[in-house]
Amino acid sequence: AQSVAQPEDQVNVAEGNPLTVKCTYSVSGNPYLFWYVQYPNRGLQFLLKYITGDNLVKGSYGFEAEFNKSQTSFHLKKPSALVSDSALYFCAVRLYNNNDMRFGAGTRLTVKP
Amino acid sequence: IAGITQAPTSQILAAGRRMTLRCTQDMRHNAMYWYRQDLGLGLRLIHYSNTAGTTGKGEVPDGYSVSRANTDDFPLTLASAVPSQTSVYFCASSERRASSYNEQFFGPGTRLTVL
Repeated sequence: AQSVAQPEDQVNVAEGNPLTVKCTYSVSGNPYLFWYVQYPNRGLQFLLKYITGDNLVKGSYGFEAEFNKSQTSFHLKKPSALVSDSALYFCAVRLYNNNDMRFGAGTRLTVKP
Repeated sequence: IAGITQAPTSQILAAGRRMTLRCTQDMRHNAMYWYRQDLGLGLRLIHYSNTAGTTGKGEVPDGYSVSRANTDDFPLTLASAVPSQTSVYFCASSERRASSYNEQFFGPGTRLTVL
């Protein structure tokens, strides 16, 4: 079965600095990988996904993620963090033709002015 | 466009009581899902439905049931609530037949407390 790990519960960065939120996965086949963001008292919002092709995926709000098959990672990045990026971020993995989406435990990103 | 609506927003429930969480989407998505979110565990899939009339079990289905009589509605029922079902419940939907690469759209959630 597939699984996702987000090794950091909390990430703190200063506004304007680059940010990275880490994600590693474990699957037996080719993964479909997703990042979602959750603001307080809200549902999850889709940021970006990797299906196939270019390993660098660009998404909403200036976020991007790099798929690294050899390291089984899919880290979320942004060149310059904003205070409004502060939220809970979830990585998720899904196999082809599989209804089961597995989410990581989440990483709380705090961007300080 | 409302997207996905869930009701109630929050509920406190006595153990042993029956409870139905409602979910309605107006995007005509074929696939719908129920997740629970618990601190430190992320989201876990309870049940899903690929299309109206069909349902399937997710990672943590015990104690829950669902039905999918039409495209728009996907209620989740707790037949006899227990304290371990205290959680935040999210309904989600996606285009097509639960296609693996389509992103899911989430409702605002229902916060359920079972005492």
